[in-house]
Amino acid sequence: DIQMTQSPSTLSASVGDRVTITCRASQSISSWLAWYQQKPGKAPKLLMYKASSLKSGVPSRFSGSGSGTEFTLTISSLQPDDFATYYCQQYSSYPYTFGQGSKLEIK
Amino acid sequence: QVQLQESGPGLVKPSETLSLTCTVSGGSISSYYWSWIRQPPGKGLECLGYIYYSGITNYNPSLKSRVTMSVDTSKNQFSLKLSSVTAADTAMYYCARGTFNYGQDYWGQGTLVTVSS
Repeated sequence: DIQMTQSPSTLSASVGDRVTITCRASQSISSWLAWYQQKPGKAPKLLMYKASSLKSGVPSRFSGSGSGTEFTLTISSLQPDDFATYYCQQYSSYPYTFGQGSKLEIK
Repeated sequence: QVQLQESGPGLVKPSETLSLTCTVSGGSISSYYWSWIRQPPGKGLECLGYIYYSGITNYNPSLKSRVTMSVDTSKNQFSLKLSSVTAADTAMYYCARGTFNYGQDYWGQGTLVTVSS
């Protein structure tokens, strides 16, 4: 299985901050990477696909980059609604695997 | 707007079979693959497998011997069976729509299944 490792596991930030979450794959996955946002008690919500494509309806302050084994999710200016846990997922080869999650907390 | 809804027992006894159904509304079950993903309390996400609308399946090898998925296109439903469950199978179970370009783009709200006697 392809292992996905996210960093940091927890991040404290303030409204208006720019934050970046990193996801590393144990082998190359080309650009087959998705990012999800999950709030407590809710299902994950797709934000980005193919590493850098924004899902329709997702605010443009979210952006993604990377290919191969290293990827980043950036939120350009944090809004109150963005405090949540973020997961990356590779869908290059099955079983599709997720990172362990990065919890974004209010500072 | 596509919506997915999981249904099934919230409590299953150890060694028995967990059975869940996902009903898809607002769109056809055709032309996509349909996934089951679980999340133990306070933990991360694990893909159990997926089924294509044609019935072709792909299961996570770690669970392969215990998982069976099926699809009923006439009812716009797909189902999961997980046999010989233990406490380690206690989790929130989500169904989701998948595409090979987007990953999982629509999810159900999830259903909590507890394995306990």
